Amino acid sequence: DSGVTQTPKHLITATGQRVTLRCSPRSGDLSVYWYQQSLDQGLQFLIQYYNGEERAKGNILERFSAQQFPDLHSELNLSSLELGDSALYFCASSGDVRIQETQYFGPGTRLLVL
Amino acid sequence: GENVEQHPSTLSVQEGDSAVIKCTYSDSASNYFPWYKQELGKRPQLIIDIRSNVGEKKDQRIAVTLNKTAKHFSLHITETQPEDSAVYFCAASLYNFNKFYFGSGTKLNVKP
Repeated sequence: DSGVTQTPKHLITATGQRVTLRCSPRSGDLSVYWYQQSLDQGLQFLIQYYNGEERAKGNILERFSAQQFPDLHSELNLSSLELGDSALYFCASSGDVRIQETQYFGPGTRLLVL
Repeated sequence: GENVEQHPSTLSVQEGDSAVIKCTYSDSASNYFPWYKQELGKRPQLIIDIRSNVGEKKDQRIAVTLNKTAKHFSLHITETQPEDSAVYFCAASLYNFNKFYFGSGTKLNVKP
């Protein structure tokens, strides 16, 4: 157990809908990262937050947005869902970016868009 | 930005043999290189990492080597076991930024 939690574990929804994925980082970690992993694919970096502020953006679609709250948990919002958005979404957390700590992954949320 | 390439994409070895996975990176400012193991449907888990001030690091059957001049690093698994079968990802991280760039993954199959 990495200490990073994600909810829900599974999500089934329809095209055009909107969903919210939630992540709680390890205790004391300030950074949260979101990744998308499609079937048999690598890890696609979406976005990073550090202590409540957006720090880096990857290949995140405009239909997707995220935020990190004062208690450091983060939410990833996916809207106008398409079939191709079906994937495993991972959250990872790490500590102080200034000393470059490694990141630990949560168990993931498996999203299926029908 | 940083670009990390990983080879091979699939690797099949006999139990007991060694396995080597190689990664190259493009940005000389990268100075932290973790390796993750991901079993089917599960989270990536850190197995070993190396920082740029070190050339080699070993942990039991796993070792990582780093060549900063050539900008490549490798994962070595000795005496492979069936439970080593998984997808392995390398990553590189830029100093003072902590953004991680992942390789495309290597699917390792250890045949009993």
